[in-house]
Amino acid sequence: RKEVEQDPGPFNVPEGATVAFNCTYSNSASQSFFWYRQDCRKEPKLLMSVYSSGNEDGRFTAQLNRASQYISLLIRDSKLSDSATYLCVVNINNAGNMLTFGGGTRLMVKP
Amino acid sequence: EPEVTQTPSHQVTQMGQEVILRCVPISNHLYFYWYRQILGQKVEFLVSFYNNEISEKSEIFDDQFSVERPDGSNFTLKIRSTKLEDSAMYFCASSPVETSEAFFGQGTRLTVV
Repeated sequence: RKEVEQDPGPFNVPEGATVAFNCTYSNSASQSFFWYRQDCRKEPKLLMSVYSSGNEDGRFTAQLNRASQYISLLIRDSKLSDSATYLCVVNINNAGNMLTFGGGTRLMVKP
Repeated sequence: EPEVTQTPSHQVTQMGQEVILRCVPISNHLYFYWYRQILGQKVEFLVSFYNNEISEKSEIFDDQFSVERPDGSNFTLKIRSTKLEDSAMYFCASSPVETSEAFFGQGTRLTVV
């Protein structure tokens, strides 16, 4: 089983749509979870950290389900500028902050 | 807003040559990292560095690689005797504490020919 697994997509959605991405991780001892976005040939940029209680930042909501080892990201009212690859990132070892990246889910928001 | 800066943005080198990739982490951060991303693949951890020593490294980070913090601001990745398969985007990152989010530089695209 891959350490961090994501549906690669692409997800093609119209502007204004709500879209959700899921991610599963293999190590139940993982403690830190993040969503990053990556534009083509650019660096990963932190979108949000994911907390056990769930967290929201504007149009973005992240949820963590430790029992199922599952993380989600919900984007409401999609904008054209949301088009990117969304990376699920987990701190697997909690030592040396070795972040393990999923392969990413590609989102294309169409006018 | 503070950011991680990397130089050069693109490096072309001949197979077998040594390259040094440079990074200036965010000034009050304590943990520094190198990651790489081969074109079309996922981002992979190489090494983490804290208190002037390596704290964690992956299987990729073999004897061909080394890291150094030569002064109070720079953090470098040296790749000795480069191979074609070392061609990738190399990202430097830093974080203030061990389990927090990491902030990435814009990357150095290394092309080995």
